[in-house]
Amino acid sequence: DSGVTQTPKHLITATGQRVTLRCSPRSGDLSVYWYQQSLDQGLQFLIQYYNGEERAKGNILERFSAQQFPDLHSELNLSSLELGDSALYFCASSLDSLTDTQYFGPGTRLTVL
Amino acid sequence: GNSVTQMEGPVTLSEEAFLTINCTYTATGYPSLFWYVQYPGEGLQLLLKATKADDKGSNKGFEATYRKETTSFHLEKGSVQVSDSAVYFCALSDRTSGTYKYIFGTGTRLKVLA
Repeated sequence: DSGVTQTPKHLITATGQRVTLRCSPRSGDLSVYWYQQSLDQGLQFLIQYYNGEERAKGNILERFSAQQFPDLHSELNLSSLELGDSALYFCASSLDSLTDTQYFGPGTRLTVL
Repeated sequence: GNSVTQMEGPVTLSEEAFLTINCTYTATGYPSLFWYVQYPGEGLQLLLKATKADDKGSNKGFEATYRKETTSFHLEKGSVQVSDSAVYFCALSDRTSGTYKYIFGTGTRLKVLA
């Protein structure tokens, strides 16, 4: 158990809908990262937050957004969902933005029908 | 840009066989290198890491050595068990703009047969 929690475990929704994925980092970690794992793209970095502020962006679509709250939990919002958004979404956390070891949550499996 | 290349899977071995999963990288600077393991239905678990050239990371009988001259970080285990069946990901930490993000290889599925 990495100490990173993600909810929900599974999410099934329809095209065009909007969903929110939630992540709680390990106790004491200030930095949260989001990754998407799909069959065709592999594991891709989406976005990073550190202590409430966005620090780095990867291959995140404009339809996706994220935020980190004062209690350090983070939410990833996915809107106008398409079939191709079906994937596993992982959250990871690290102590701070200068620590290169990240600990991953169990993931949220999103299925768009 | 930085990238990680892993050998294609699946790799199928008998129990107690020797394992090597190849990983090579391209990077500017001196990234840290990682191996993560993903068991069926679970998230990624950090298996081992190495932060500089010639460092050897090791854990649970697995080991990998950071080879700068060959830009490689091959994963090895002397005697695999059925419980090692999983997908293994090689990754490097890419530090840009003062923060780190991971670049992952495509993953190598390992199947160990009893």
